[in-house]
Amino acid sequence: DTEVTQTPKHLVMGMTNKKSLKCEQHMGHRAMYWYKQKAKKPPELMFVYSYEKLSINESVPSRFSPECPNSSLLNLHLHALQPEDSALYLCASSQYPPTDPSYEQYFGPGTRLTVT
Amino acid sequence: GQNIDQPTEMTATEGAIVQINCTYQTSGFNGLFWYQQHAGEAPTFLSYNVLDGLEEKGRFSSFLSRSKGYSYLLLKELQMKDSASYLCAVVDNYGQNFVFGPGTRLSVLP
Repeated sequence: DTEVTQTPKHLVMGMTNKKSLKCEQHMGHRAMYWYKQKAKKPPELMFVYSYEKLSINESVPSRFSPECPNSSLLNLHLHALQPEDSALYLCASSQYPPTDPSYEQYFGPGTRLTVT
Repeated sequence: GQNIDQPTEMTATEGAIVQINCTYQTSGFNGLFWYQQHAGEAPTFLSYNVLDGLEEKGRFSSFLSRSKGYSYLLLKELQMKDSASYLCAVVDNYGQNFVFGPGTRLSVLP
């Protein structure tokens, strides 16, 4: 199974709502990632978890709160978002530590978020 | 810091060969990846280079020169379905921080 799943596929939320994005993988990967991608731009790294511990936070505003409850699941809790946070949110996973021959990231299909 | 550069757009004809370049200046390096991304979809892995030289995989090849901070992706026998964005990504020494370049939008014309 080389699939990363994400739910929901689409989400529309108001600026006062609280919602969560979910990501799951069963490849035994111990690194999981959240990316934000705006139209016609590359993915921007938000958070990295390795062995269920937050290892990288790319100065993301506190209205985004990640959580890694176990080695297969990754959540992103959203609260008081702004319209400019509307984007495609991608989850990915990879082997960790990195081992040859390659340790590419496997991406989920993403959640398209619209903040109204 | 990390600085990765790619051409913004390229156009090629079906059946032709196209080379997409990527230059990088990064504080650490543990490999360079190429991904393909169709509009509205997630990126999918194409190739990985950590040592200098050419890696070939079917119609796709990728080359790396670490001393020059340079890579290219070579696509042969182009097909219409190859129209997509192509992203190069550099990963740091710890193998966790994947930094993506701006992407190259390739249009394949009949």
